[in-house]
Amino acid sequence: DVKVTQSSRYLVKRTGEKVFLECVQDMDHENMFWYRQDPGLGLRLIYFSYDVKMKEKGDIPEGYSVSREKKERFSLILESASTNQTSMYLCATSWDGNQPQHFGDGTRLSIL
Amino acid sequence: AQKITQTQPGMFVQEKEAVTLDCTYDTSDQSYGLFWYKQPSSGEMIFLIYQGSYDEQNATEGRYSLNFQKARKSANLVISASQLGDSAMYFCAMRYDTNAGKSTFGDGTTLTVKP
Repeated sequence: DVKVTQSSRYLVKRTGEKVFLECVQDMDHENMFWYRQDPGLGLRLIYFSYDVKMKEKGDIPEGYSVSREKKERFSLILESASTNQTSMYLCATSWDGNQPQHFGDGTRLSIL
Repeated sequence: AQKITQTQPGMFVQEKEAVTLDCTYDTSDQSYGLFWYKQPSSGEMIFLIYQGSYDEQNATEGRYSLNFQKARKSANLVISASQLGDSAMYFCAMRYDTNAGKSTFGDGTTLTVKP
């Protein structure tokens, strides 16, 4: 069965810290995505990657960067965390555009 | 730009009854895909059903069916015989990038099933 694992379910960090959110998949999928989910705003795409070392900005990339050094791992980096980045972060993967995305359980991040 | 609209922030349904969750979309692309996902209170996103823009038949998966009306740009989810476990948030999404599968999501509808 498809498995997408996010490193933490809950995370609390301080303003200005550098924060790493990790996502690992075991399906050999090319495409990986990072979303943030806020009440009333649905899911918004931050970054996605379609191959190792390849990345593209999504709709809200400001304040974030990503890294994909290996096919199975896609990391989201908050360079200098701010309180407006408090949110639920969801990682997803897909085989191709006609297949559904498979999601991790999410990381609920609080920036104090 | 692609956009998904879910006009019902919250819905209630009696157990064992059917319910329709609305979804309209806006795109100028000819090729696209429509997905529905369920998110229980535990947080994980569960894929329910898919409809391709060229599919002539409405998609069905068990108790879920998708009422696809292309001319009206709507893709409503119908859940038959609601169960208490159907209480969750439901997201409609449209895939607009065939290669990488980039998708845009609606704001979601919270469904509550009453016993």
